[in-house]
Amino acid sequence: TQLLEQSPQFLSIQEGENLTVYCNSSSVFSSLQWYRQEPGEGPVLLVTVVTGGEVKKLKRLTFQFGDARKDSSLHITAAQPGDTGLYLCAGRHNQAGTALIFGKGTTLSVSS
Amino acid sequence: DTAVSQTPKYLVTQMGNDKSIKCEQNLGHDTMYWYKQDSKKFLKIMFSYNNKELIINETVPNRFSPKSPDKAHLNLHINSLELGDSAVYFCASSLTGQNNSPLHFGNGTRLTVT
Repeated sequence: TQLLEQSPQFLSIQEGENLTVYCNSSSVFSSLQWYRQEPGEGPVLLVTVVTGGEVKKLKRLTFQFGDARKDSSLHITAAQPGDTGLYLCAGRHNQAGTALIFGKGTTLSVSS
Repeated sequence: DTAVSQTPKYLVTQMGNDKSIKCEQNLGHDTMYWYKQDSKKFLKIMFSYNNKELIINETVPNRFSPKSPDKAHLNLHINSLELGDSAVYFCASSLTGQNNSPLHFGNGTRLTVT
């Protein structure tokens, strides 16, 4: 089973600070997705990155896919308490019938 | 108008019992999944069905038996429950033919085995 390593596992910051979450693997993924999960709910898709080197922005969130398609990062600018949640990266290999593999997640807590 | 709904939301039962979790999606998706999220929040694939056909079975004990009566439903039956089965179980669905199709998750079923 190919693994996705996420870091840090926990992050506790003050409102207004910036942060970056990393997602790394030794294998190549055809695409990588980032999800956010709130307590008592299922994960919800934030973004999908497909092309090596691709950068996507979603308001204060910036997502990047590594050139070799083995890693990705999520950067949040000026974090808000509403950003609090569990952030999960998930990758899919370029093989038919393969499932989405999830990283172990980063629990972010933003206090005001 | 819930997209992926699973029931029950909470399930508390004793070791050795048999229980079922139901899942239904109204998104018109053709692939459905069961994921298990442990106490450390790690989401692990258990099963995947495409058009009622099992396509992924990730070394899950035989006590777990998924059933898909049609492509909008995927139920999970668990026999002889064990303490280690305690977790949150998520149903999800997606549309094949779209390589980057996102997964749409239900809100989970928290199973507690005592």
